[in-house]
Amino acid sequence: DTGVSQDPRHKITKRGQNVTFRCDPISEHNRLYWYRQTLGQGPEFLTYFQNEAQLEKSRLLSDRFSAERPKGSFSTLEIQRTEQGDSAMYLCASSFLEIGGGNLAKNIQYFGAGTRLSVL
Amino acid sequence: KNQVEQSPQSLIILEGKNCTLQCNYTVSPFSNLRWYKQDTGRGPVSLTIMTFSENTKSNGRYTATLDADTKQSSLHITASQLSDSASYICVVSPLYGAQKLVFGQGTRLTINP
Repeated sequence: DTGVSQDPRHKITKRGQNVTFRCDPISEHNRLYWYRQTLGQGPEFLTYFQNEAQLEKSRLLSDRFSAERPKGSFSTLEIQRTEQGDSAMYLCASSFLEIGGGNLAKNIQYFGAGTRLSVL
Repeated sequence: KNQVEQSPQSLIILEGKNCTLQCNYTVSPFSNLRWYKQDTGRGPVSLTIMTFSENTKSNGRYTATLDADTKQSSLHITASQLSDSASYICVVSPLYGAQKLVFGQGTRLTINP
């Protein structure tokens, strides 16, 4: 499977514990995105990387959240001291943007299946 | 207030029937508008993408329309199949900060046999 893969698919944790999710993007994609989706809502942007650089973070990303993409390939999203309000689906997406911008309209983001987090 | 509003919130139709889903947005200026299909427990999959200068785009039985003047888009599904049961999400890409896609809440479509 050469699509975006996320691990684990499901995570159940107790309030106050730390969790870490992993995303492996499509191999040639230079951009990687993290979103959060709650039941019955569309995804909300959290952050994105171009190669290893984290270029933007949403205000939704509190100090308890940290994302990394150390070698410009896979990425991790860590949530410290989880709260019940963190329960959601965490989606990762990747895309390829040509150097110099290219055609933004063609910058299609391909999504992984997501990690569903339940905080008890 | 959500910058992308979709209607209806949910819809049930019989297999073989057509349906139209609506999307109103306030994101301005915008670069492009996309429709995604999301099966339960899966990530969204892109169906169509239209720039502000395009009025319509088709992908098989899916046809999306865009009216940039009224800031409205629709997704028309013809000859529905059971596999069309999913959430359909309208997504707008702002012209500035284009990577921060703005998602609607989705329309939950159920196709009954």
